[in-house]
This record gives sequence, C-alpha cells and structure tokens, in this order.
Amino acid sequence: EVQLVESGGGLVQPGRSLRLSCAASGFTFDDYAMVWVRQPPGKGLEWVSGISWDSGSVRYADSVKGRFTISRDNVRNFLYLQMKSLRPEDTALYYCAKDVGRYLESEDWFDPWGQGTLVTVSS
Amino acid sequence: SVLTQPPSVSGAPGQRVTISCTGSSSNIGANYDVHWYQRLPGTAPKLLIYGNYNRPSGVPDRFSGSKSGTSASLAITGLQAEDEADYFCQSYDNSLSDVVFGGGTKLTVL
Repeated sequence: EVQLVESGGGLVQPGRSLRLSCAASGFTFDDYAMVWVRQPPGKGLEWVSGISWDSGSVRYADSVKGRFTISRDNVRNFLYLQMKSLRPEDTALYYCAKDVGRYLESEDWFDPWGQGTLVTVSS
Repeated sequence: SVLTQPPSVSGAPGQRVTISCTGSSSNIGANYDVHWYQRLPGTAPKLLIYGNYNRPSGVPDRFSGSKSGTSASLAITGLQAEDEADYFCQSYDNSLSDVVFGGGTKLTVL
C-alpha cells in the first residue's frame, strides 16, 4: 500500500524554525517528484514546494521562497521541509504528496497525500 | 484563492450536484488541466478526477469532471451519504507560475 506519513509539526514562535518530515512507503520513492501543500485554517489549499525525483529541480511558492527548503533522501525514502523565519501566516496543516511524474510539470496531479501535520506559529 | 469554488453545496441522497471551479485566462482558460480531490472528514485528500475528466481506478463513475472556457465542474450523481466531504480543484496559473487550488467546497448530503 502506498503510504505517506508526515511528522514534525507543532507550536513554534514567530521567527523560529521547524523541520517537517514525510516518510514514504509502498512505492519506488526515487521514481517520483514530491510536493508539499498546506491548508491554513479556514482557507483553501496552497502549493508550497516541489522537488524532482533526483533533487535536480526544486520550486517554491513566492510566499515561502528564501525561508523554506525542500529536500529528499532517496535512500531512506524521506521528504523534508525545512522552515525558517516562520510567520503566523505559515500556520497551516501541511501535507506531503506524491507527484504523478518524475519532474515538476505544470499539469501534474498529486496522488496520494498524507494525513498532514499541523504547524502553528504563535507567540 | 485563484480558483473560485462555492463554499458549500448540498443535496439529498440520490440527487445530482455539481461543484464549479472558476478560473481565468491565465489558468483554466489557458487550457491547463484541472484535477479534483475529495477529502473525507479526518482523512487525507484523495485524487478524484485528473486531466479534467479522467477517473483513477476505484473511483465510482458517479463522479465526473468537465471543463469549458475558464471554468471546470465536478458532477456527482446518485448522491450518497458517504460523499459528504470537502472537494478541491487544482490547475496551473501561468502568470503566477504556480500550481493553484480552489478554496474548497463542502458537500452536505441532506
């Protein structure tokens, strides 16, 4: 069974850092690009970042560029999101998801998704 | 959200409901594909429709997708209690150079 399990969320003060992890199983991890998508409370989904199968291509939403870093470990089958200089507006449920292909293409869809990990940025 | 969805829709069991996803000339109107996801209460989002109208294996044919101009729609026929969930549309926007989502629609089965 294909499974994605996020961890690492929690309550953090503004300006601090947090690293999210996503453990992947049930598929050949290094055959697929991976993405992070978040949902702030009461709002819609927002694509945050994506990484190609070989880490050769990474992309970020403008709202997190320069503060978040996506990475992956194709040996341990983990996806990461290092978040720095966190702001209250980063408060959200963060999902990791498997891209349909190896690269980050504009029309790709995501399947499956993890259950999400909640990040709350507040003093 | 860049893509606009109605916050809520409702229908009685057995009825047909549609959920709209309205974009613009830089996303749906630019002929980018639309995908749909279903998120049941307390669960992870699940792919429902990809490439505007394609159903992954295991998704009942009660669910169908369509696209026209700057909008897309998800139709659900023969509504069932288990369809009560949040539904999200996704596309790509070439002015933002980003994947974009709708704000989500909560479906209530009366």
